Amino acid sequence: EVQLVESGGGLVQPGGSLRLSCAASGFTFRSYWMHWVRQVPGKGLVWVSRINSDGSSTTYTDSVKGRFTISRDNAKNTLDLQMNSLRAEDTAVYYCAREGTYCTSTSCYEKYFENWGQGTLVTVSS
Amino acid sequence: QSALTQPASVSGSPGQSITISCTRTSSDVGGYKFVSWYQQHPSKAPKLMIYHVSNRPSGVSNRFSGSKSGNTASLTISGLQAEDEADYYCSSYTNGLHVFGTGTKVTVL
Repeated sequence: EVQLVESGGGLVQPGGSLRLSCAASGFTFRSYWMHWVRQVPGKGLVWVSRINSDGSSTTYTDSVKGRFTISRDNAKNTLDLQMNSLRAEDTAVYYCAREGTYCTSTSCYEKYFENWGQGTLVTVSS
Repeated sequence: QSALTQPASVSGSPGQSITISCTRTSSDVGGYKFVSWYQQHPSKAPKLMIYHVSNRPSGVSNRFSGSKSGNTASLTISGLQAEDEADYYCSSYTNGLHVFGTGTKVTVL
């Protein structure tokens, strides 16, 4: 069974830093692209960042570029999100998600979020 | 990144069918094959319901179906049940970035 367990959330002051982690199990972690998605309580989902399977390529949404860094440790089956220069608007539940991918003889399917963790709440406030 | 617009709310009675729309605001056609849909119950993590416009993951009820016409993707729930009451989000991938829709609250009357 695929399991994604986030940790590291909490209360941090504006301008501070926080590091989120996601422990993965039940699948071959090194074979999958991984993502972070956030959600302000009561609001919609917002994609934050993704990292490819070997960690050599990353992408971020504009609002976190230069402040957040996604990384992974394929030996430890963990995904991280280092968040610096935090702002009040970064307050949200942060989910890690595994990107679905599989190919048939004729087509490949990808770019969707197949599995999600339970989320960890980050609150940026003084 | 272009936004995906969904109706704020949709409601129906048990047994009825409802359809949730998801409309792109940009004219990029290529990436719209990567449309997926997610169900989220209160205080729960999202759950994948449809991927690549119309493909249903194993374990998802066949009452859920997806389609696309032009710049609008749709999720249809047939035989509406009380357990279908939740928030639903579409998502797309274009030019290296993912985007979610604005979300639709489904109410079972």
